[in-house]
Amino acid sequence: SQKIEQNSEALNIQEGKTATLTCNYTNYSPAYLQWYRQDPGRGPVFLLLIRENEKEKRKERLKVTFDTTLKQSLFHITASQPADSATYLCALGVGGGNKLTFGTGTQLKVEL
Amino acid sequence: DVKVTQSSRYLVKRTGEKVFLECVQDMDHENMFWYRQDPGLGLRLIYFSYDVKMKEKGDIPEGYSVSREKKERFSLILESASTNQTSMYLCASSPPSGLTDTQYFGPGTRLTVL
Repeated sequence: SQKIEQNSEALNIQEGKTATLTCNYTNYSPAYLQWYRQDPGRGPVFLLLIRENEKEKRKERLKVTFDTTLKQSLFHITASQPADSATYLCALGVGGGNKLTFGTGTQLKVEL
Repeated sequence: DVKVTQSSRYLVKRTGEKVFLECVQDMDHENMFWYRQDPGLGLRLIYFSYDVKMKEKGDIPEGYSVSREKKERFSLILESASTNQTSMYLCASSPPSGLTDTQYFGPGTRLTVL
């Protein structure tokens, strides 16, 4: 069966450290993968997109890797800050037409 | 900036009522989507639309219908609300595939069905 797995348990890290979130998938062949941030009671906000022929993408303190052999994406936040605390969702682009299939998200807490 | 608005942040309805959730986007996007989000299940696609008067079923369309009479507006209809439709409902829009594949979300409507 098709599955997208993100760490269901919250990730707690100290301010200034690098946070690494994982997204694993099975039985999908995504054309691209996206990461979104969601704050409590709000809609998700797009962060980064990486396509199947790209290994790595960066944007300021954010970095995404995409390994289609391992069927895995890693999302890194360097020099993390308490303001980075949120739930992070990965989403696979499958089926065309901008349709996305979302993982359940990982909650990140950055502590002082 | 893209703006996607939803008609209500919070809504309380009774079992059996017909419920309308409205979504409006101001960026002339072709694609619009309705999701529901539940703890432990993530976002699940209910319906989407590629154009005016066009609609396609997502992963969980049962108990829902949609309407897209104008490009900027996409409505989700619960014909006869049930308690298992208590959820957070999120609307999103995106430009045509190939320009950018990101989706822009509204703030969500938290629906409670009693």
